[in-house]
Amino acid sequence: DAKTTQPNSMESNEEEPVHLPCNHSTISGTDYIHWYRQLPSQGPEYVIHGLTSNVNNRMASLAIAEDRKSSTLILHRATLRDAAVYYCILRDGVGGYQKVTFGTGTKLQVIP
Amino acid sequence: KAGVTQTPRYLIKTRGQQVTLSCSPISGHRSVSWYQQTPGQGLQFLFEYFSETQRNKGNFPGRFSGRQFSNSRSEMNVSTLELGDSALYLCASRFEGLSYEQYFGPGTRLTVT
Repeated sequence: DAKTTQPNSMESNEEEPVHLPCNHSTISGTDYIHWYRQLPSQGPEYVIHGLTSNVNNRMASLAIAEDRKSSTLILHRATLRDAAVYYCILRDGVGGYQKVTFGTGTKLQVIP
Repeated sequence: KAGVTQTPRYLIKTRGQQVTLSCSPISGHRSVSWYQQTPGQGLQFLFEYFSETQRNKGNFPGRFSGRQFSNSRSEMNVSTLELGDSALYLCASRFEGLSYEQYFGPGTRLTVT
């Protein structure tokens, strides 16, 4: 099963951009890269996903390496409400979520 | 639109008992997945239901089971509880189609003593 590797924790100053890395060297051609985040005492929430091209939405941007073995979630201006655990996961575009491993993610601390 | 709701939010059980957790998906969502979250293992996929049928299953023992009703509401059951079953159980729903994102509920915190 394809797995992802993320740093355990990162810090960012408020109002500054944050780049959260994720390595997925065993990604397959049909795997989508998804990012979720989990705020304290809440369930995870969807952030963004992509397959090959970079993606943007109102929450963040996703930069995907050309060989797809790594990706970076970009928060353009970190706010205190962005303090959360960020999960990078791979989801088979053909199947369901049965092979998805969320792991322990990256805990982002935002410093005021 | 109301989000995913889970009941109860907190539960304390003793070893050997069984427990049933409930999940109501977002209106119109027919896929419901269940996850177990523990500090050491992170989020682990339990199973997914779609149209009252279990579509996918994670690597959990048979003590963990679930079902889905015709209105897409889902329940999961854990029999013969063990101390290691203490966890946050999360339910997620999604709309079948081009969109793959899941919407999670707040979870049920189960403590087994």
